[in-house]
Amino acid sequence: QKEVEQNSGPLSVPEGAIASLNCTYSDRGSQSFFWYRQYSGKSPELIMFIYSNGDKEDGRFTAQLNKASQYVSLLIRDSQPSDSATYLCAVNTNAGKSTFGDGTTLTVKP
Amino acid sequence: DAGVIQSPRHEVTEMGQEVTLRCKPISGHNSLFWYRQTMMRGLELLIYFNNNVPIDDSGMPEDRFSAKMPNASFSTLKIQPSEPRDSAVYFCASSLAGTGGDTQYFGPGTRLTVL
Repeated sequence: QKEVEQNSGPLSVPEGAIASLNCTYSDRGSQSFFWYRQYSGKSPELIMFIYSNGDKEDGRFTAQLNKASQYVSLLIRDSQPSDSATYLCAVNTNAGKSTFGDGTTLTVKP
Repeated sequence: DAGVIQSPRHEVTEMGQEVTLRCKPISGHNSLFWYRQTMMRGLELLIYFNNNVPIDDSGMPEDRFSAKMPNASFSTLKIQPSEPRDSAVYFCASSLAGTGGDTQYFGPGTRLTVL
């Protein structure tokens, strides 16, 4: 079992819809959880991080964390074609070190 | 503010040659990470430093790979000798440990092709 698992996709949603990206992790001692976005040919960039159970909202993005279920998700509301990218889930199991999932490729169709 | 700087951006070399990749982290950051990304294996952590000291090099594939961080503003990743299977995009990232959940900021990457 991989330490961080994501649905590889591809996930396709129409413009304006909600995109839901999911991630599970194996280490119960994990402390911080990150969502990065990576456009083709570019480097990963942080969308948001979360470390407490519940929801965290930033604009059109909402991260949800459930430590009991070892599950973290990212919701993108009002999806735009510019949101088309690969989304990487990352989990910090030790201070400062992140383990990345393989990513979910999202396509938003106009 | 300048982000993480990597050089070269592209490197094409022949099997058996030595390759050196360079990274300048964001000023003030105290952790530095080297990653390798391929389609097959995704984003893999090779090594990370904290306050210039290597903390975890368990991801370094073999003895052909070595990394150094002689000071807070510079790190190198060296492959000697290089092999075609080393072809990948190599990212350097830095963070300020203990802030922002330890958010990592990635450089633009070096695309390495070993012929």
